Amino acid sequence: GAGVSQSPRYKVAKRGQDVALRCDPISGHVSLFWYQQALGQGPEFLTYFQNEAQLDKSGLPSDRFFAERPEGSVSTLKIQRTQQEDSAVYLCASSQFSGGASYNEQFFGPGTRLTVL
Amino acid sequence: SQQGEEDPQALSIQEGENATMNCSYKTSINNLQWYRQNSGRGLVHLILIRSNEREKHSGRLRVTLDTSKKSSSLLITASRAADTASYFCATDGVTGRRALTFGSGTRLQVQP
Repeated sequence: GAGVSQSPRYKVAKRGQDVALRCDPISGHVSLFWYQQALGQGPEFLTYFQNEAQLDKSGLPSDRFFAERPEGSVSTLKIQRTQQEDSAVYLCASSQFSGGASYNEQFFGPGTRLTVL
Repeated sequence: SQQGEEDPQALSIQEGENATMNCSYKTSINNLQWYRQNSGRGLVHLILIRSNEREKHSGRLRVTLDTSKKSSSLLITASRAADTASYFCATDGVTGRRALTFGSGTRLQVQP
């Protein structure tokens, strides 16, 4: 079946512009995660949804970052007034997590590479 | 911030040789996972080892976990050019936080 998809794959924005990044998780997956990956580094957690509820947004670097998942499937990560330090790859992952699961395999999308000029 | 460090940061070997990568982490964990990332692509899950396990095998992969030292190693045997990628360890903490905490990665280059 289809994996996690993200769009656009590449985005170039001028500093100060707003951007919206989309994630389509695997159908039926309850959990959805956003990560930010700087060049040469491992991904860092931004935010987590269980269905439509945003249960953890502790990783969002500033109030310019906003994420939503209104119907519990597709999610959008929005960055307002982009800055050069926002340049990174933004990864989305989904997980068929249930309350009884003892582990948490996450399936990652290909990412959106954001470049802020 | 990253959970820990991976060692080495970069590794170059010849096809057929074994590659060993190490990962250290800082806090107690439920499990530790290894992921591979090819250039320009997303992360692919390779193997998971639970905190009560010490060693696990999957094909050419062997993972060890030492919770007393808060460290793990990934061994790839009989490497192939297609194994060229970045490898990351990721931990799932005992607090129930579902997000993964990744290391900084090892960039493996396998020369044909």
